[in-house]
Amino acid sequence: DAKTTQPPSMDCAEGRAANLPCNHSTISGNEYVYWYRQIHSQGPQYIIHGLKNNETNEMASLIITEDRKSSTLILPHATLRDTAVYYCIVRPGSGNTGKLIFGQGTTLQVKP
Amino acid sequence: KAGVTQTPRYLIKTRGQQVTLSCSPISGHRSVSWYQQTPGQGLQFLFEYFSETQRNKGNFPGRFSGRQFSNSRSEMNVSTLELGDSALYLCASSLYETRAFTDTQYFGPGTRLTVL
Repeated sequence: DAKTTQPPSMDCAEGRAANLPCNHSTISGNEYVYWYRQIHSQGPQYIIHGLKNNETNEMASLIITEDRKSSTLILPHATLRDTAVYYCIVRPGSGNTGKLIFGQGTTLQVKP
Repeated sequence: KAGVTQTPRYLIKTRGQQVTLSCSPISGHRSVSWYQQTPGQGLQFLFEYFSETQRNKGNFPGRFSGRQFSNSRSEMNVSTLELGDSALYLCASSLYETRAFTDTQYFGPGTRLTVL
């Protein structure tokens, strides 16, 4: 499974866009990029995922570089409730394994 | 649609005891995975069940076991509890559509186990 690298922490002002980077330089062709977040001591919450095209849903946007070696999760208007640990995960598409490998994630602190 | 539910939410046990945790997946989901989260090790995969069969297993001792029932509900058991088993135990479910290219897991709120 590909390994991901994320900055350990980031700050963002409330109302501004939060851009969370993730490096996954060893990603292979059939591996998807998934983002989850975990608000203190709760279960991880699914945010978004993508293969190679940019994706957007009601929570966030996911920008994947053309070479797929890195991606950025964008929260367009961060609120205090977005303060959480954000995990970037790479997982294979074929085989449909249920095993997610979590790194240390990025702790995002949204400040008023 | 109701989310993944886990019971109990909190549990206190003593060393040497055994414990059973329960997980009810989202309706229609057929795959259930279990994870352990501790401050030192982070989130680690325990095992995955689909169609009452264990499909994947993480690197945990045999004291950790699980099973899945025909209605997709799952239980995990930890025998001979140790202090280091104190953790948040998380369950996640997914549809597991064989024709899908990928499969999203949705997590429950977790069971907080404290071993004294």
